[in-house]
Amino acid sequence: AQSVSQHNHHVILSEAASLELGCNYSYGGTVNLFWYVQYPGQHLQLLLKYFSGDPLVKGIKGFEAEFIKSKFSFNLRKPSVQWSDTAEYFCAVTTSGSGTYKYIFGTGTRLKVLA
Amino acid sequence: ETGVTQSPTHLIKTRGQQVTLRCSSQSGHNTVSWYQQALGQGPQFIFQYYREEENGRGNFPPRFSGLQFPNYSSELNVNALELDDSALYLCASSGGTGDGYTFGSGTRLTVV
Repeated sequence: AQSVSQHNHHVILSEAASLELGCNYSYGGTVNLFWYVQYPGQHLQLLLKYFSGDPLVKGIKGFEAEFIKSKFSFNLRKPSVQWSDTAEYFCAVTTSGSGTYKYIFGTGTRLKVLA
Repeated sequence: ETGVTQSPTHLIKTRGQQVTLRCSSQSGHNTVSWYQQALGQGPQFIFQYYREEENGRGNFPPRFSGLQFPNYSSELNVNALELDDSALYLCASSGGTGDGYTFGSGTRLTVV
């Protein structure tokens, strides 16, 4: 069965520190890859997505992610975090079957940035 | 864009009761999906509707059912509520190409 693993459940960083959140998926076919962010009390928002082409994807708010096909990974990075990046981050993949695109989400990583 | 709106925002029900959650899709979106997000977990896919037909379902029992209306709004119905049904229920709409969904803020259901 397809699955998405996020190995860091809780991450605490100081402002200006660099961030890397791991994401691995298990699926042998073609996938679309996403990172979503959920700020406290708010809905899921799309940070970035990868479909094809350049494996280094840039998203909003200075985030980027790199797709490494050989490692089935799609890690999220930010060179310098801010207090406002405190949120929960979800990696997700979509696979297509009979026209249905369903997300498979990881369990999330809760990031806390200390001012 | 009006975004995805869900109602109600919070709901408390008793075990065994039935509940209906509602979702208005983003303008122009013909596909809607429902997800259950239990505390400390990522969202789990319940089912998806495309032009009023269910076209995909996750590992949820038949007591979870849905509808999509001609205006692409949607309902999620859960019968015979169980304590484990307590969760945040998310609705998401899309243009149907798999390139990303717009999520609503969710309905927090508590079953007591």
